Amino acid sequence: QSALTQPPSASGSPGQSVTISCTGTSSNVGGYNYVSWYQKHPGKAPKLIIYEVSKRPSGVPDRFSGSKSGNTASLTVSGLQAEDEADYYCSSHAGSNSFVVFGGGTKLTVL
Amino acid sequence: QITLKESGPTLVKPTQTLTLTCTFSGFSVTTSGLGVGWIRQPPGKALEWLALLYWDDDKSYSPSLKNRLTITKDTSKNQVVLTMTNMDPVDTATYYCARKNVAARFDYWGQGTLVTVSS
Repeated sequence: QSALTQPPSASGSPGQSVTISCTGTSSNVGGYNYVSWYQKHPGKAPKLIIYEVSKRPSGVPDRFSGSKSGNTASLTVSGLQAEDEADYYCSSHAGSNSFVVFGGGTKLTVL
Repeated sequence: QITLKESGPTLVKPTQTLTLTCTFSGFSVTTSGLGVGWIRQPPGKALEWLALLYWDDDKSYSPSLKNRLTITKDTSKNQVVLTMTNMDPVDTATYYCARKNVAARFDYWGQGTLVTVSS
């Protein structure tokens, strides 16, 4: 049972947009602007695509965007491409008791 | 260029202690704001944060595993070592080390190493 709740799956056709939610509590997502998103392809290491809720590391396409409202963070992938098919994980700082907690992951399928 | 690489046994027996080493380059673990963390992913399951070593040598552990984990560093070798005691088959997973940057993000990851716990 992961500390952050994500939908197990999401899908969209090429060119469409899809949004993945990540719901926590006031002790993690709602309490800090330290939400990150990671993209993970099978057999590969996770890749940071969003940090501090909405910032993108250098090299990450602006098709990826993040936001937060209350205890729920969201990742939006616009203009879906075949290579976006992967698992996506959110994480959040969780205070002094636990540095970071992860979501259960969402499998994004590009139809 | 920043790189991290995990090394250690691929197979351990139940009750044994696992020792994993993360060898990194391209940054110093003593730089303010940085650190090295360990994260694992059991087959078909989600990522799970395990431990973190901060730039100032402070340490943080997953509350559910803290009694079994120890994280240390060898600055001269650019290595961070994770030990996990009393291994169980449920600990079978790919173990990753990653660089922690400010704002609780892991911005560079190793390739991961699969550890199987079986007798």
